[in-house]
Amino acid sequence: SAVISQKPSRDICQRGTSLTIQCQVDSQVTMMFWYRQQPGQSLTLIATANQGSEATYESGFVIDKFPISRPNLTFSTLTVSNMSPEDSSIYLCSVEGTSGRPSYNEQFFGPGTRLTVL
Amino acid sequence: QKEVEQDPGPLSVPEGAIVSLNCTYSNSAFQYFMWYRQYSRKGPELLMYTYSSGNKEDGRFTAQVDKSSKYISLFIRDSQPSDSATYLCAMISSTLGRLYFGRGTQLTVWP
Repeated sequence: SAVISQKPSRDICQRGTSLTIQCQVDSQVTMMFWYRQQPGQSLTLIATANQGSEATYESGFVIDKFPISRPNLTFSTLTVSNMSPEDSSIYLCSVEGTSGRPSYNEQFFGPGTRLTVL
Repeated sequence: QKEVEQDPGPLSVPEGAIVSLNCTYSNSAFQYFMWYRQYSRKGPELLMYTYSSGNKEDGRFTAQVDKSSKYISLFIRDSQPSDSATYLCAMISSTLGRLYFGRGTQLTVWP
């Protein structure tokens, strides 16, 4: 399995500001994903980030609001832009393909970033 | 209709009980079925996965998949207080290329 760290672990932000969340993996991975988890709700996929290409966003999520970077095979960032209280949630980074190829049964999660927007 | 349905509970059982957690799904294309365990204020951790129909056992945990009924289960035998967590089912197919999660079932095992 992969060891995944996220920074920050939590933050409290003012509306209208932006926060960048970092995700670091201890090995090279093919696919990285960003999820949102709201209380009592399922994990919602925001986007898929592949190294060397633009992120692919799910319906309801746009690049202007959630820009993503994937500069190499071990690191990615998600920015939550122009935040509002509705963005308060846990944001999770996930990785797949620690063996260098897609592995549908091997997707691992980071510890999450707990965001509160006032 | 949601792709994956899971009763959120909460479910509260005494130590030593057998726990049954379930999910139903609507898309017959799903091929891989996972169970994740999520402790409070932690990320989900992969507990078990099963490919297609059948059973898989790992210690006190047994995962079952019935593709004809579009129904998956996770059984926990001899449940322990340390099993107290939220359990999320998830599923994927090679054609869909992304995980679909249930809402998670919150389980409490009391001593």
